[in-house]
Amino acid sequence: DAGVTQSPTHLIKTRGQQVTLRCSPKSGHDTVSWYQQALGQGPQFIFQYYEEEERQRGNFPDRFSGHQFPNYSSELNVNALLLGDSALYLCASSFRHSAEAFFGQGTRLTVV
Amino acid sequence: QKEVEQNSGPLSVPEGAIASLNCTYSDRGSQSFFWYRQYSGKSPELIMSIYSNGDKEDGRFTAQLNKASQYVSLLIRDSQPSDSATYLCAVNGLLRGATNKLIFGTGTLLAVQP
Repeated sequence: DAGVTQSPTHLIKTRGQQVTLRCSPKSGHDTVSWYQQALGQGPQFIFQYYEEEERQRGNFPDRFSGHQFPNYSSELNVNALLLGDSALYLCASSFRHSAEAFFGQGTRLTVV
Repeated sequence: QKEVEQNSGPLSVPEGAIASLNCTYSDRGSQSFFWYRQYSGKSPELIMSIYSNGDKEDGRFTAQLNKASQYVSLLIRDSQPSDSATYLCAVNGLLRGATNKLIFGTGTLLAVQP
């Protein structure tokens, strides 16, 4: 049973560029949430996708957008990258009515 | 006041001792509580879930929940050097449509000394 998978694992981008991160949820899960974890901090909720719709977003600007596909996989897009966007981006999958979430291995984004 | 508060540590315990990690939360409506373990450079791994008041035991781990005091803790018995990691407390925040998001504390760094 495959767990949550994310790609790529590491990424280096230049300030102002755009990036797309990908996530495949755990088998049987239909909900994908994205989190940003800065060094020394807990993960911060970016947004959640269920039934191909964004259900709610956290305190992140519109430069952060996402998508969920019919097979429940998801993408996180960040436009106009800033140095402060450097962080570990985590995808978590869950089943809709369960708060229990499982994380992928994360994508380490470095903006230079 | 932060929504979920943890002591950042480091909490240093000798091998074989009991490690006690604590967490308080501000939203009385929270229903689900989780402990994640995060090794340096890795992603969080779910180790305990607790939903009702009292204790829940799983191997060397015991989670304790007191909703009246808005307090959740994690006890690790017979601590091993391999338990050295950051422990994140997470509380559910209900979203529209009965889906959930997690609100995390900043984590407590545990160091088990051989």
